[in-house]
Amino acid sequence: EPEVTQTPSHQVTQMGQEVILRCVPISNHLYFYWYRQILGQKVEFLVSFYNNEISEKSEIFDDQFSVERPDGSNFTLKIRSTKLEDSAMYFCASRRLRPLGEKLFFGSGTQLSVL
Amino acid sequence: DAKTTQPPSMDCAEGRAANLPCNHSTISGNEYVYWYRQIHSQGPQYIIHGLKNNETNEMASLIITEDRKSSTLILPHATLRDTAVYYCIVRADPNFGNEKLTFGTGTRLTIIP
Repeated sequence: EPEVTQTPSHQVTQMGQEVILRCVPISNHLYFYWYRQILGQKVEFLVSFYNNEISEKSEIFDDQFSVERPDGSNFTLKIRSTKLEDSAMYFCASRRLRPLGEKLFFGSGTQLSVL
Repeated sequence: DAKTTQPPSMDCAEGRAANLPCNHSTISGNEYVYWYRQIHSQGPQYIIHGLKNNETNEMASLIITEDRKSSTLILPHATLRDTAVYYCIVRADPNFGNEKLTFGTGTRLTIIP
């Protein structure tokens, strides 16, 4: 089965630094997502992205966060100035255009540790 | 999206059917029931979804009650690899927007050898 690929698998950074988490969605998918999971807590929606723009975002996704599809294959999440509370597992997901409500394919995640 | 209630944990013997219940008594007519699972700390994995009819695929069966206020996910022959947290998610018809999935705390299913 095709896979969503995320790199790196682990990222350690200092508070205040910028990080970019990278994802390669499945090739014929057109909807892209970022979710995160703080250790021991629920999986939380951050943002959805379609047709080169954000289609929906949560309250967590503030001005410190941004997403981009810089080329035809990558989808990135940037955190401009990391905080301790940004430490979490970040999951990228993608799905096909049709049918609506189609299942999401999730990557294995990037564990972000902010020191 | 409607709220769901699931038992926090369940055990099932290997080779037996695992039946995971979910209560969604406030579900509305255009809301679907989705099931995902998360093995250890991996990314969630889609299992199945339905609106009002029972559904079956290669992984599981989904039984939705006639009043749609509850559902049961059935793993017909559980294996050790089915040990995971299982999430029941009610989600509005995506034809009306609302792309996000709202995960709860799920049911931690442990398959016993």
